[in-house]
Amino acid sequence: AQSVAQPEDQVNVAEGNPLTVKCTYSVSGNPYLFWYVQYPNRGLQFLLKYITGDNLVKGSYGFEAEFNKSQTSFHLKKPSALVSDSALYFCAVRDRGSSGSARQLTFGSGTQLTVLP
Amino acid sequence: NAGVTQTPKFQVLKTGQSMTLQCAQDMNHEYMSWYRQDPGMGLRLIHYSVGAGITDQGEVPNGYNVSRSTTEDFPLRLLSAAPSQTSVYFCASSYGIRAENTEAFFGQGTRLTVV
Repeated sequence: AQSVAQPEDQVNVAEGNPLTVKCTYSVSGNPYLFWYVQYPNRGLQFLLKYITGDNLVKGSYGFEAEFNKSQTSFHLKKPSALVSDSALYFCAVRDRGSSGSARQLTFGSGTQLTVLP
Repeated sequence: NAGVTQTPKFQVLKTGQSMTLQCAQDMNHEYMSWYRQDPGMGLRLIHYSVGAGITDQGEVPNGYNVSRSTTEDFPLRLLSAAPSQTSVYFCASSYGIRAENTEAFFGQGTRLTVV
């Protein structure tokens, strides 16, 4: 069964500093990986995805993520954080080698990012 | 183009009552799904559908039914509400029947409280 771990419930960073939100995954085959962001009282919004190819993926709002197969990680990064980046971030995985319900998106528990002014 | 629309936004039910959460999308997406979001647990898949007339169970299907009579609509029915079903419910849709490598579009959510 596939799984996603977001080891930090809360990440605090000062505005202008780089930020990292960690994600590790477990799948039996090769993964499709996604990052979503959720602002208060809103649905999830897609940020970026890794399907194949370049391990460094660039997404919306200046975010990027690096796929590391040996470490089974897909950490979200941004060079310079903004106060408006404060939100709940979810990592998600699909195992391209599975079938049925196991092929569906599995989400991590989420990381609350707070950017301090 | 409204995307994914969920109604109602808020609902309070008494234990044992039934209700239907509505979800509609106008993007002609084949794949639709329902998730519940609970604190510290992320989103868990309840049911999903890969096209009209086809539905399947996800991780936490007990107590819920779905149907997919049209491409646009994917309602979620609570058969007999229980306090354990207090949660925020999200509907999502994706392009493509397999939807493996495409991102999901989410509705705004329905906050359900069962008392």
